[in-house]
Amino acid sequence: NAGVMQNPRHLVRRRGQEARLRCSPMKGHSHVYWYRQLPEEGLKFMVYLQKENIIDESGMPKERFSAEFPKEGPSILRIQQVVRGDSAAYFCASSPPEGTWGYTFGSGTRLTVV
Amino acid sequence: SQKIEQNSEALNIQEGKTATLTCNYTNYSPAYLQWYRQDPGRGPVFLLLIRENEKEKRKERLKVTFDTTLKQSLFHITASQPADSATYLCAPLRPTYNAGNNRKLIWGLGTSLAVNP
Repeated sequence: NAGVMQNPRHLVRRRGQEARLRCSPMKGHSHVYWYRQLPEEGLKFMVYLQKENIIDESGMPKERFSAEFPKEGPSILRIQQVVRGDSAAYFCASSPPEGTWGYTFGSGTRLTVV
Repeated sequence: SQKIEQNSEALNIQEGKTATLTCNYTNYSPAYLQWYRQDPGRGPVFLLLIRENEKEKRKERLKVTFDTTLKQSLFHITASQPADSATYLCAPLRPTYNAGNNRKLIWGLGTSLAVNP
């Protein structure tokens, strides 16, 4: 049973380009969370999605960032017109629909904007 | 605003000793508190969850306590091993049941643990 799969592991983009980060949750998990982690900073919540629904995007910048979790396929975090400050590790986590237990994280995508 | 504080300084201990890590929270009343381990370049790995009505939880060499009066959780690793060296994160949670059972986590910065052979 594969865990949470994120790709790519490393992504380099020039300023102004678009970055697309993908996350396939664990089998049976219908809830996906995206977090951003900067060096020397903690994990910051960005967005919480269920299939075809954005439940909470309160942690996501209003501009340039968007997320989706379609009925079929992985969840996508999209960053348009990237800037140097977007450089960070982006982690995806998934959880089952009910109950209270720990989340399963992917290995993350390290985005570097040059 | 809600604040989570963990030991800011790295913890260095000798192999075989017990490591104790602290997580304090303010302006928050979590129903659950989770502990994770994170290795460099990797995502957090879930270790233990403790509920507000539980005083203590154990799993193998790990023990977590949860004191809602002190607003504190302690995380213990007994008989520590060099392989336990990592950053340990705490994440309190009080799910909100509107808007589809929102369960986003708020994280501490983590405590770096080094177990010396």
